[in-house]
Amino acid sequence: AQTVTQSQPEMSVQEAETVTLSCTYDTSENNYYLFWYKQPPSRQMILVIRQEAYKQQNATENRFSVNFQKAAKSFSLKISDSQLGDTAMYFCAFMMWGNTPLVFGKGTRLSVIA
Amino acid sequence: EAGVAQSPRYKIIEKRQSVAFWCNPISGHATLYWYQQILGQGPKLLIQFQNNGVVDDSQLPKDRFSAERLKGVDSTLKIQPAKLEDSAVYLCASRSTEKLFFGSGTQLSVL
Repeated sequence: AQTVTQSQPEMSVQEAETVTLSCTYDTSENNYYLFWYKQPPSRQMILVIRQEAYKQQNATENRFSVNFQKAAKSFSLKISDSQLGDTAMYFCAFMMWGNTPLVFGKGTRLSVIA
Repeated sequence: EAGVAQSPRYKIIEKRQSVAFWCNPISGHATLYWYQQILGQGPKLLIQFQNNGVVDDSQLPKDRFSAERLKGVDSTLKIQPAKLEDSAVYLCASRSTEKLFFGSGTQLSVL
């Protein structure tokens, strides 16, 4: 079974600074997707960024980028120029190719401080 | 495009009572998931539907939980009887390619 581990239960960052959230996963599969989701107090799960495992190039979406290390099974999220609206729970998630569900980590609570 | 709709948003019941949650996925999405998210944890899959058929219900506590997706569109998740440990947020999601779209969830409190 696939597992996703987020070792940082809570983190904080000053507004406009950069923060990196860690994620490791365990799988014997070669083809899969990795995701970061944001969950604000509204409970809505919002997709932040996704990475296909077969792509070597790290995904970027505006202020959000990932460091994908397939051999190390590591998938960290970097948030640049942090904004107050980035305050939320962040979940790392894994999905195999095919019609399979998302497997989530336990999450990291990020607080952006003014 | 309308998102995934869930109701109710909040529900408070006493243990041993029954409760039902409703989900309307994005139009055209064949795959639908129900997840349980206990406070302080990541969402855990309860059941996955493909159209009106069950793909995976291996983590659904079938002695008390049931779910159906009639006509392959809306879905209902039921708990009967509820236990204290069922207090959680119940999230519904529908899928297009590899992307999941989530509803805002139903927060259940069992007293």
